[in-house]
Amino acid sequence: AQSVTQPDIHITVSEGASLELRCNYSYGATPYLFWYVQSPGQGLQLLLKYFSGDTLVQGIKGFEAEFKRSQSSFNLRKPSVHWSDAAEYFCAVLSGNTGKLIFGQGTTLQVKP
Amino acid sequence: DTGVSQDPRHKITKRGQNVTFRCDPISEHNRLYWYRQTLGQGPEFLTYFQNEAQLEKSRLLSDRFSAERPKGSFSTLEIQRTEQGDSAMYLCASSSGDRNTEAFFGQGTRLTVV
Repeated sequence: AQSVTQPDIHITVSEGASLELRCNYSYGATPYLFWYVQSPGQGLQLLLKYFSGDTLVQGIKGFEAEFKRSQSSFNLRKPSVHWSDAAEYFCAVLSGNTGKLIFGQGTTLQVKP
Repeated sequence: DTGVSQDPRHKITKRGQNVTFRCDPISEHNRLYWYRQTLGQGPEFLTYFQNEAQLEKSRLLSDRFSAERPKGSFSTLEIQRTEQGDSAMYLCASSSGDRNTEAFFGQGTRLTVV
């Protein structure tokens, strides 16, 4: 069955430090992968997506992610975290031809001043 | 284009009451999705429309839940005889369905059943 796992439920980093959020997926074919961010009480905003091609994808707000097929991973990174990055982050995989998404349970990012 | 809009943003209802939520997708998006998100969890797929046709429903969508998209534009999600376990954020998303495009999400409707 298709699934997405985000092993870290909660991560705290200092402002200015680097960040890596982990995502592992289970999917039979070539996956279409996404990272979304959600601020409290808000909907989801797309940070970046991977469909094919270059395995290192750039997104908004200085985020990037790397697709590694051998590790079934799609980890999100940012070289220097800002206080405004504090939010919940969701990794997702596209399922089938309908376009529905299967989400991980999310990682809550806290940024220390 | 103002994006996906959902109404209301918040709803508090007593157990046993019926509630209806509305979603207006991005114009010309022919695909529309409903998801449910409980506290501390990722969104879970509920149902999917291609134009006015409801093509897929999750097992999460019990008989008390019904969704419509009568003219292939806006959609409604109704929950009958609400239960406390229905308390969640209900998210709507739309997409054009073109290859290599993503879904855009609304801000959600937060339902609290008391």
